[in-house]
Amino acid sequence: NAGVTQTPKFQVLKTGQSMTLQCAQDMNHEYMSWYRQDPGMGLRLIHYSVGAGITDQGEVPNGYNVSRSTTEDFPLRLLSAAPSQTSVYFCASSYPGTDTEAFFGQGTRLTVV
Amino acid sequence: DAKTTQPPSMDCAEGRAANLPCNHSTISGNEYVYWYRQIHSQGPQYIIHGLKNNETNEMASLIITEDRKSSTLILPHATLRDTAVYYCIVRGRSNDYKLSFGAGTTVTVRA
Repeated sequence: NAGVTQTPKFQVLKTGQSMTLQCAQDMNHEYMSWYRQDPGMGLRLIHYSVGAGITDQGEVPNGYNVSRSTTEDFPLRLLSAAPSQTSVYFCASSYPGTDTEAFFGQGTRLTVV
Repeated sequence: DAKTTQPPSMDCAEGRAANLPCNHSTISGNEYVYWYRQIHSQGPQYIIHGLKNNETNEMASLIITEDRKSSTLILPHATLRDTAVYYCIVRGRSNDYKLSFGAGTTVTVRA
């Protein structure tokens, strides 16, 4: 049981480049979400999805796009990378409800130069 | 979202119990208290959660006060591998799709 898998683990981009961070889960969870974590800070929600075909913005959505065509996958796209997007990105998934555990991937460390 | 307040840091001796406090005075009746930890910038790891009763699992115990305005996470026999940032999070029906992370408590277990 792989849980939540994120790829790549590390990435360096030049300003203006685009890329997609991949997230996949094998637990049939309806909820998936993307967070970013800047040095010394807690995680902040970027975008989330409550099911296939449904996405919404979190606290810090600017500069990021998402889509959810399948239950398993929830990719995060950076359209034109900026140095301010240098961060560690975490994907999470869970079942709906308040009495359910959320599972996190191991993160993607992104540096934009 | 109900806010939580945690001390920024605490030390603990290896083999002793670590008691991590959390205040959540604005918690509402249907909101759960969750604890997660993050070791060395890895992905957050679920520890335990509860509504009103005390809970225990293989990792920790959660003690929630009767008025539910505060709680304590207990690591019964801390090891060096428990050194991490611990997050106390309140989660309810209106925001069940997310976890609101604050700054957490940095716990350092010393030999």
